[in-house]
Amino acid sequence: AQSVSQHNHHVILSEAASLELGCNYSYGGTVNLFWYVQYPGQHLQLLLKYFSGDPLVKGIKGFEAEFIKSKFSFNLRKPSVQWSDTAEYFCAVNPYSSASKIIFGSGTRLSIRP
Amino acid sequence: DAGVTQSPTHLIKTRGQQVTLRCSPISGHKSVSWYQQVLGQGPQFIFQYYEKEERGRGNFPDRFSARQFPNYSSELNVNALLLGDSALYLCASSWELAGSYNEQFFGPGTRLTVL
Repeated sequence: AQSVSQHNHHVILSEAASLELGCNYSYGGTVNLFWYVQYPGQHLQLLLKYFSGDPLVKGIKGFEAEFIKSKFSFNLRKPSVQWSDTAEYFCAVNPYSSASKIIFGSGTRLSIRP
Repeated sequence: DAGVTQSPTHLIKTRGQQVTLRCSPISGHKSVSWYQQVLGQGPQFIFQYYEKEERGRGNFPDRFSARQFPNYSSELNVNALLLGDSALYLCASSWELAGSYNEQFFGPGTRLTVL
């Protein structure tokens, strides 16, 4: 079955620390890849997306992600986190063959110590 | 431009009741998808509608049903509510059905509590 795995359930960092959140998916075909963020009390927002081309994609607020096809991974990175990055982060996969269905990971809660 | 809107914001029901949730997509979007997000988990796909036809269904019982109207708005119905149906129900819209460059935009959700 198609699935998305996020390795860390809860990550705690200090401000200015570097961030990397892992994401792996199980699907052998062509996919679109997304990272969504859910700030406390707010709805899901798209952080960045990969459709094709350069496997290193840049998103909003200084986030970037790298698609490594051979590893079925799409890890999220940020060189220096801020307190305002405290949120829940979801990796998601949209297999081309599954219409608009998006398969989400279970999420990683990021807490930033001021 | 207005984003995806959902109503109501919050809803409290008791076991066995029925509920209807509503969603208005972004203007021009023809596809609407519904997701259930239980506390502490990622959203789970329930339905996808495109041009008023069901185009995808997740692993949910027949108590869950939906439809899409000519103006592309959508309703999600849940019958015979169970405690486990308590969740945030998300609606997402997109331009097209599938394929490359297809991006979904999410609404704020309806928080359903079943007592």
